[in-house]
Amino acid sequence: DIQMTQSPSSLSASVGDRVTITCQASQDISNYLNWYQQKPGKAPKLLIYDASNLETGVPSRFSGSGSGTDFTFTISSLQPEDIATYYCQQYDNLPRTFGQGTRLEIK
Amino acid sequence: QLQLQESGSGLVKPSQTLSLTCAVSGGSISSGGYSWSWIRQPPGKGLEWIGYIYHSGSTYYNPSLKSRVTISVDRSKNQFSLKLSSVTAADTAVYYCARGPILATWGQGTLVTVSS
Repeated sequence: DIQMTQSPSSLSASVGDRVTITCQASQDISNYLNWYQQKPGKAPKLLIYDASNLETGVPSRFSGSGSGTDFTFTISSLQPEDIATYYCQQYDNLPRTFGQGTRLEIK
Repeated sequence: QLQLQESGSGLVKPSQTLSLTCAVSGGSISSGGYSWSWIRQPPGKGLEWIGYIYHSGSTYYNPSLKSRVTISVDRSKNQFSLKLSSVTAADTAVYYCARGPILATWGQGTLVTVSS
C-alpha cells in the first residue's frame, strides 16, 4: 500500500493567515492526488483534484501543488468557515489511501 | 445533479454481517468510466477506503478487509451494496459511498454500530 503522510496533524491559525499542509507519498504517484475538506458530522468534500486543479465552486483561496511524492495544500487567507479537517488521498495505486488528516483550528 | 444515499442496518451484532446499500440518483450507475466506492470512518478517526465496483461488476477490495467484503451492483435499481461479514466492534464506523476515481460525490454517510 502507498502510505500518505500529512503534516502537521493539527494546526492553529488566525483569520487571514496563509495556511499550508503537506502530504508525502511513500512512492511516486505522479499527480494522482486529491484534497478533501471534512467538517464535523459531514461527508468529505472534494476541493482539489489531480494535485492542483480546483473543483468547480470551490473558492480560489484554496490551492494545491506538487507531483511525484511531495504535495502542498494552501489556503491563502484563512476564513472562519475553513475550520475543518483536511485529507489528502492518492488514486494512482490500489488500494486508494488517505493521509491521516490535518485538523485546522482558529486561534 | 448526482446524489448518493446510503441505507441499511444501523446496529449489527458481533459476528454477524453488515449490509448497506447506496442508491444513486441524478445519474446512471452504468455511466462508463466511473467506479463506485465504499469508504468508512471510525468515530474520531480518519478515512479508510474499503473497495469499489464498476458497472460491469468488476471489483477491487482493500486487502485489509478482502476476506470479509463483498460489493455488488444492481443496475436495474441504480444502486450498489456492501456486505461485511464477521463484524467486530472495530467495524463500528460511519460508512460512506462515493463515485470515483476522483471522489467528487459522496453520500451523507450512515453510522453502523457493532454491539450486542
